[in-house]
Amino acid sequence: GAVVSQHPSRVICKSGTSVKIECRSLDFQATTMFWYRQFPKQSLMLMATSNEGSKATYEQGVEKDKFLINHASLTLSTLTVTSAHPEDSSFYICSASPQGGQNTEAFFGQGTRLTVV
Amino acid sequence: AQKITQTQPGMFVQEKEAVTLDCTYDTSDPSYGLFWYKQPSSGEMIFLIYQGSYDQQNATEGRYSLNFQKARKSANLVISASQLGDSAMYFCAMRERNNAGNMLTFGGGTRLMVKP
Repeated sequence: GAVVSQHPSRVICKSGTSVKIECRSLDFQATTMFWYRQFPKQSLMLMATSNEGSKATYEQGVEKDKFLINHASLTLSTLTVTSAHPEDSSFYICSASPQGGQNTEAFFGQGTRLTVV
Repeated sequence: AQKITQTQPGMFVQEKEAVTLDCTYDTSDPSYGLFWYKQPSSGEMIFLIYQGSYDQQNATEGRYSLNFQKARKSANLVISASQLGDSAMYFCAMRERNNAGNMLTFGGGTRLMVKP
């Protein structure tokens, strides 16, 4: 199946710093990628839809100035957590689907476990 | 309102036995897709099985089968011959036609524990 690569898999950062997470589709192009957040023992919650060449669409309650999304190419979307705080500690995971692919396909990255200290 | 409901937060099953994980959904869209994912402790999301709303037959993938009851809006996952490696979180998800791309809405998950 198609591969979505997410990097880094784990990151620990100091409070107040920014962290960038990359999501790459390795063998297909994706005009749309999705960023999810998962707190411990909870489900995945959609944060935003990343659109290639245009602004991301954020879900209600998600601060767009805090979670900056850039989708500069058809194979790369980045999520930057700015001025991170301990409450931003969570598991972040992206997904992408091949452009023009079957509707059954939704591939996920490996996820990034962010710890803010 | 909750779109995807998984009523079993945790379940035990004896190794080699079958287990059913429940999932009910709510949508007014006639065209939708239902997914099941497995999430081990590493966090990765592993696709298991897909059922389209217009599919006439229940989906099957190896030891996984989906008991799709459209009128009841349920899409239960059946795992046959459970293995120790099946211990993980399992998420039911739905994609609706109106969504951009393939955004999925997830249920709360069920933690399956397989006993030796």
